[in-house]
Order: sequence, then structure tokens, then C-alpha cells
Amino acid sequence: RKEVEQDPGPFNVPEGATVAFNCTYSNSASQSFFWYRQDCRKEPKLLMSVYSSGNEDGRFTAQLNRASQYISLLIRDSKLSDSATYLCVVDASGGSYIPTFGRGTSLIVHP
Amino acid sequence: DTEVTQTPKHLVMGMTNKKSLKCEQHMGHRAMYWYKQKAKKPPELMFVYSYEKLSINESVPSRFSPECPNSSLLNLHLHALQPEDSALYLCASSLLPGGVDQPQHFGDGTRLSIL
Repeated sequence: RKEVEQDPGPFNVPEGATVAFNCTYSNSASQSFFWYRQDCRKEPKLLMSVYSSGNEDGRFTAQLNRASQYISLLIRDSKLSDSATYLCVVDASGGSYIPTFGRGTSLIVHP
Repeated sequence: DTEVTQTPKHLVMGMTNKKSLKCEQHMGHRAMYWYKQKAKKPPELMFVYSYEKLSINESVPSRFSPECPNSSLLNLHLHALQPEDSALYLCASSLLPGGVDQPQHFGDGTRLSIL
């Protein structure tokens, strides 16, 4: 079983749609969770950290479900510029901090 | 602009060459990382330096040799690479190693091609 799993997609949605991605992790002791965005041939850029209480930044909402061991990212009112690959990163070691990336979910927002 | 600077941006080298990739940050971060990323794949962790000491080596072949001369610099020395080592090499840093909610900041990478 992979430590961090994501549906690779692609998710193909119209502008204005709401879309959600999940990322599951296998180590229940994991402490750190992040969502990154990566555009084609660019470096990953931090989108948001994921806190136990959930957090929101504009159109983006991230949540953590420890019981079911997954994090989620919700994007409301999708824009064309949201088209990218969304990577989740989990501290898969549960403490000594080995950041592990999911394979990424591709999002395509079309007019 | 990224706060983590990587040079060179592109590198083409033969299998017998020796070259080095460089990474620099001036954010006072004490953890630095090297990743390898192949096309359409996620970044794969190679090395982690914590307070200038190598703390994690993810079973990387010895033809890759990391070095952390000081808290701002991270090098990756390359020797006798294979064509399958062609990839995007990403450097990242975070404020502290192992801390909760310590996101990584990435450089824009060195695109390496092995002939």
C-alpha cells in the first residue's frame, strides 16, 4: 500500500464549478499536511497547510479527517487559472519528518 | 520569484562528466532538501539536511553526493550519471526540520539531461 495516495484525474470542470480532491495517508502518526500546486514544468508552490480544525483561504478550503486518514481540498468558483496539478504532502514518517508527496491530481478548468 | 535559488537552470552532461548543482536560501531556514522529479511523477525525496547535517538519505546511489557547506547553501555533486538520471532536480527549504506546520519552499529546479 502506498503511503500517500491521490486520484490522478484529470478532473475536467467548467469555470465556476466546485471541485474537491482527497488524499489518503497510511501512517496514523502523521503530523504535517500540506497542499501544493504545480504548474507544468514549474516547481511546486505551497497552496495551504492543513490544520486539524480545517482552514480556508478565499475560494480554497482544506480539511483533515484523522479518523479516516485523509485530507481534502475544496475549490469553489473555479477559474481557468486554477488548472494545474495539486499535490498533497504528508509527513509519512509520523514524527522524524520525511515529507512524502502524493502523485498529484490534475485539474483542468475549461470555459 | 522564488526565495530559494537554484543554479544552473539547465544542465546537459555526459555520463563521464562531473558537475554540481547549487541551491541557496537566505530565509534562515535550517532544513534543506533535494528532490528528483521525472515527468508526470511527483517529486521523490533524495536527501534531507537538518542544521547542516545529513539526516536522511533515501537510498540514493553514490553517484549523487550532497554537501551543505553552511546554513544557506546546499550542493549536489554529480559524477558518472546514467541516462535515467535525467530529471528535474528540486531544492527546498523549511524553517525547521520535523516541525509541525513547517512547509517547504521550493526553488524552480535544475533540468538535467544526461547524454
